[in-house]
Amino acid sequence: DAGITQSPRHKVTETGTPVTLRCHQTENHRYMYWYRQDPGHGLRLIHYSYGVKDTDKGEVSDGYSVSRSKTEDFLLTLESATSSQTSVYFCATGLASYEQYFGPGTRLTVT
Amino acid sequence: AQSVTQLDSQVPVFEEAPVELRCNYSSSVSVYLFWYVQYPNQGLQLLLKYLSGSTLVESINGFEAEFNKSQTSFHLRKPSVHISDTAEYFCAVIVPYTGTASKLTFGTGTRLQVTL
Repeated sequence: DAGITQSPRHKVTETGTPVTLRCHQTENHRYMYWYRQDPGHGLRLIHYSYGVKDTDKGEVSDGYSVSRSKTEDFLLTLESATSSQTSVYFCATGLASYEQYFGPGTRLTVT
Repeated sequence: AQSVTQLDSQVPVFEEAPVELRCNYSSSVSVYLFWYVQYPNQGLQLLLKYLSGSTLVESINGFEAEFNKSQTSFHLRKPSVHISDTAEYFCAVIVPYTGTASKLTFGTGTRLQVTL
């Protein structure tokens, strides 16, 4: 399995506060992704990156921003957290867009 | 754009019985197809994939899936399930060769519950 870590693994925050989730990989993979997982929706793509400083939006990008300043790290920021952003967030990486390896996930609760 | 439908949100089955998890996709062009498995409180793991070639693909733990282009399906089967197969299973599709715009589209998942 690819060396993918996510931090924090669990977080509880209040509505209106900014939150940053980190994804770190040791595989030198070009592609990195952020998904959210919600019951009845499967996984939905938030943002993705195809190289350092190269990012693009996914299907549910409103309220989220990302940054990738080096190959191994991909940060997801919730500018002002809302209760609708309570979810489990997964990072994935891959050498190609169709080869994705997933991290263990971050459970975020916004109260 | 491509889409994936997993009609069964839950599939209960007894241990040692056969199981089929259904997946249908929609796309106007050729696709790659995947099954991922998610055990409780873990991330997704790739179970098997169809890129090209033989339409029947197998995993190391006894699952198989068959790509059926005419029926736009990629159903997952196992002839005899074990308690340890209890998990959520996701079907996914991607249109390859579109550069950085290629993205996986996931189905909503099927929860396989194996009981004694």
